[in-house]
Amino acid sequence: DGGITQSPKYLFRKEGQNVTLSCEQNLNHDAMYWYRQDPGQGLRLIYYSQIVNDFQKGDIAEGYSVSREKKESFPLTVTSAQKNPTAFYLCASSIGAGVGEKLYFGSGTQLSVL
Amino acid sequence: AQSVTQLDSHVSVSEGTPVLLRCNYSSSYSPSLFWYVQHPNKGLQLLLKYTSAATLVKGINGFEAEFKKSETSFHLTKPSAHMSDAAEYFCVVLPEDTGRRALTFGSGTRLQVQP
Repeated sequence: DGGITQSPKYLFRKEGQNVTLSCEQNLNHDAMYWYRQDPGQGLRLIYYSQIVNDFQKGDIAEGYSVSREKKESFPLTVTSAQKNPTAFYLCASSIGAGVGEKLYFGSGTQLSVL
Repeated sequence: AQSVTQLDSHVSVSEGTPVLLRCNYSSSYSPSLFWYVQHPNKGLQLLLKYTSAATLVKGINGFEAEFKKSETSFHLTKPSAHMSDAAEYFCVVLPEDTGRRALTFGSGTRLQVQP
């Protein structure tokens, strides 16, 4: 089955530690996205990538980093600079980054701080 | 900058009664608008989308939304609520007048359906 796989489902971070969230898709989509979901705030865009080896900052990129070395993979690193990392992280993809593109979402990773 | 405002954080209806989830957008141009639904412990799913064709858009599970440019609204409706409609609903905009090609989500409306 085609889809988006996020791992792990739950992740715990110690203070000062960098952690990486995995996102893999086998839909052959060009565009991939990372969103952060906090209660009552909806989804906020962290980073997105329209094509391999290229990515752009979203609304809340500070404290995060990404890479897009392969079309199917778009890992997100939550660095120690992100002071409030506890949230639900959603990865998504779309065929392209054009008008009316449907997003396909993964099942998410819940990150908590120890 | 484009944005969406979901006017209600929580809506509660009885099963079999109509559903209205309100969304207003701000945009200098004609944006692409979407409604997504998130069921508990499930991923987000596209309900419907508006991309400057017909102003009344029909989606899955009996939902529909009407684009009203004069009111800058894109409210989601359903004639008769079902228990399985209980979920969180997001109004979403894809701005067309900036270089950014990524969706902007509203803050969400949690729909409760009472038996």
